[in-house]
Amino acid sequence: EAGVAQSPRYKIIEKRQSVAFWCNPISGHATLYWYQQILGQGPKLLIQFQNNGVVDDSQLPKDRFSAERLKGVDSTLKIQPAKLEDSAVYLCASSLRGSTVDTQYFGPGTRLTVL
Amino acid sequence: GNSVTQMEGPVTLSEEAFLTINCTYTATGYPSLFWYVQYPGEGLQLLLKATKADDKGSNKGFEATYRKETTSFHLEKGSVQVSDSAVYFCALSDQYSGAGSYQLTFGKGTKLSVIP
Repeated sequence: EAGVAQSPRYKIIEKRQSVAFWCNPISGHATLYWYQQILGQGPKLLIQFQNNGVVDDSQLPKDRFSAERLKGVDSTLKIQPAKLEDSAVYLCASSLRGSTVDTQYFGPGTRLTVL
Repeated sequence: GNSVTQMEGPVTLSEEAFLTINCTYTATGYPSLFWYVQYPGEGLQLLLKATKADDKGSNKGFEATYRKETTSFHLEKGSVQVSDSAVYFCALSDQYSGAGSYQLTFGKGTKLSVIP
């Protein structure tokens, strides 16, 4: 079974530029998550999709971050414009149904450096 | 709100030593508990989980028991190897986010280094 795919793996941009990350979840997984992991901390949820609908984006900085999940499969996360404090690893995860007992499967992440 | 507290690292052990990484949690409901591991340069992988009180999760020689009375889920391994060097994250799933979905809340992670 193929895992969660993410691209790119690394990105370096200057502040005020824009950047986009792509995620392809495990086939058949209804729930998709984007996390931000700042160095030395645990992942923090940014947004959660159930199929192609948003179920929680309360921690997404909506003035600069946006995300979509087309046709309930792939997802993109965009930052525009980027700030220095956005430097982090962005993780995508998926789970079968999003229930409390479900396992979330994580992709390798995209390491973003904002200069 | 929900929270997870892990022992601070880094933890450095010699090969074949006994490992304990403490994890305690605060949750409003009846969470499921997880340990994830992040090897250098890789993504998070599920190590083990427990979904109800007194359950023991185990994998690759690691164990953790869901203790509701002490709200703990400590990770243990009897004999660590160099290949166990990684960052370990304790997490809980409890917060309902709508549409039948729940969220993970993570601890800050504990870095383990095992030396030969």
